[in-house]
Amino acid sequence: DTEVTQTPKHLVMGMTNKKSLKCEQHMGHRAMYWYKQKAKKPPELMFVYSYEKLSINESVPSRFSPECPNSSLLNLHLHALQPEDSALYLCASSQDAQRAYNEQFFGPGTRLTVL
Amino acid sequence: ILNVEQSPQSLHVQEGDSTNFTCSFPSSNFYALHWYRWETAKSPEALFVMTLNGDEKKKGRISATLNTKEGYSYLYIKGSQPEDSATYLCASTTGNQFYFGTGTSLTVIP
Repeated sequence: DTEVTQTPKHLVMGMTNKKSLKCEQHMGHRAMYWYKQKAKKPPELMFVYSYEKLSINESVPSRFSPECPNSSLLNLHLHALQPEDSALYLCASSQDAQRAYNEQFFGPGTRLTVL
Repeated sequence: ILNVEQSPQSLHVQEGDSTNFTCSFPSSNFYALHWYRWETAKSPEALFVMTLNGDEKKKGRISATLNTKEGYSYLYIKGSQPEDSATYLCASTTGNQFYFGTGTSLTVIP
């Protein structure tokens, strides 16, 4: 199974809502990533988990809270978001986070709209 | 942060035409260059990982070259087909961080 799944596919939320994005992989990968992509911009790294520990947080506002309950699952908890947080949120995984030649496998993304 | 640029931003070609596009990246501290194909509403799909100067990789009608000294990679598609229509992304990586370009959107007209 070389698939990374993400749920939900689409999410619309108000600025006072609390919601979560979920990501799952069963490839035995030990690194997982969250990216944010705005229209016509490249995907931007938000967080990296390596062996279930947060190893990189790219100065992401605290209204985004990542969680890695186990090596197969990655969540992104959302609270008090702003309309400018509307974007495509991509999850990815790789064998580990150390080797530059390791391919990252991506999910299809969650399209988030904040009203 | 690495500045990765891709050109052109978009491209329309006729079925059967061959085409190519460019990814430029900083040549200092180079580790690896990844190419992805991203079809609408699907996951980005890895095409190639390239690490050595002069690398050439091929997958069917798609091939890529790498010049790490001058900081660029070319992606070639021979005999484009409508199913090649997608956005092609490149990413330069220092290890655990991928720095993506904005992509080249390819449309192949039947």
